[in-house]
Amino acid sequence: TQLLEQSPQFLSIQEGENLTVYCNSSSVFSSLQWYRQEPGEGPVLLVTVVTGGEVKKLKRLTFQFGDARKDSSLHITAAQTGDTGLYLCAGVGIQGAQKLVFGQGTRLTINP
Amino acid sequence: SAVISQKPSRDICQRGTSLTIQCQVDSQVTMMFWYRQQPGQSLTLIATANQGSEATYESGFVIDKFPISRPNLTFSTLTVSNMSPEDSSIYLCIGTENYGYTFGSGTRLTVV
Repeated sequence: TQLLEQSPQFLSIQEGENLTVYCNSSSVFSSLQWYRQEPGEGPVLLVTVVTGGEVKKLKRLTFQFGDARKDSSLHITAAQTGDTGLYLCAGVGIQGAQKLVFGQGTRLTINP
Repeated sequence: SAVISQKPSRDICQRGTSLTIQCQVDSQVTMMFWYRQQPGQSLTLIATANQGSEATYESGFVIDKFPISRPNLTFSTLTVSNMSPEDSSIYLCIGTENYGYTFGSGTRLTVV
């Protein structure tokens, strides 16, 4: 069974600070996705990383896929209150089943 | 990309009863999955809905409790049987075609 360990599970910081969320596994994934979910809403896809070592930037968000495709990170620079939400990483296995394996989620609160 | 219509969006049910959730896709998708998201938590895969055959269940989930149908490539149902308050959760279908993922809007179930 493929598992994704996401950390931290809870993070509360002040506006303007930087933060990093990690997703780690002992398994290799063909790709990894990051989602953001707000209360009462479904997850919204932020990015998909496919290639080992890949780095993608989305405004203040930087996503990295580990060289071995077993881990990923999300870094937010100068966090804003609008970044508050539940961040989920999800991996696609290499066995071809296409099912998404979700990490436990990181509940991020940005305080004004 | 595909669009999934999921119904009902929410329901309040008496314990001991059953609820069937439907997902209708506007185009064919190769794979469909059913997930559960308990309050404040991440998404847990219940099963993979297989067209014309029995679903493939993840550890901890059984067909008697969560019967699933998928008569064709555009439709699937999940039934939550003999409900208890512990079944209160959001249930979500996800379809995938060529590793592009589409989420249903979710069903928020409360069992009283």
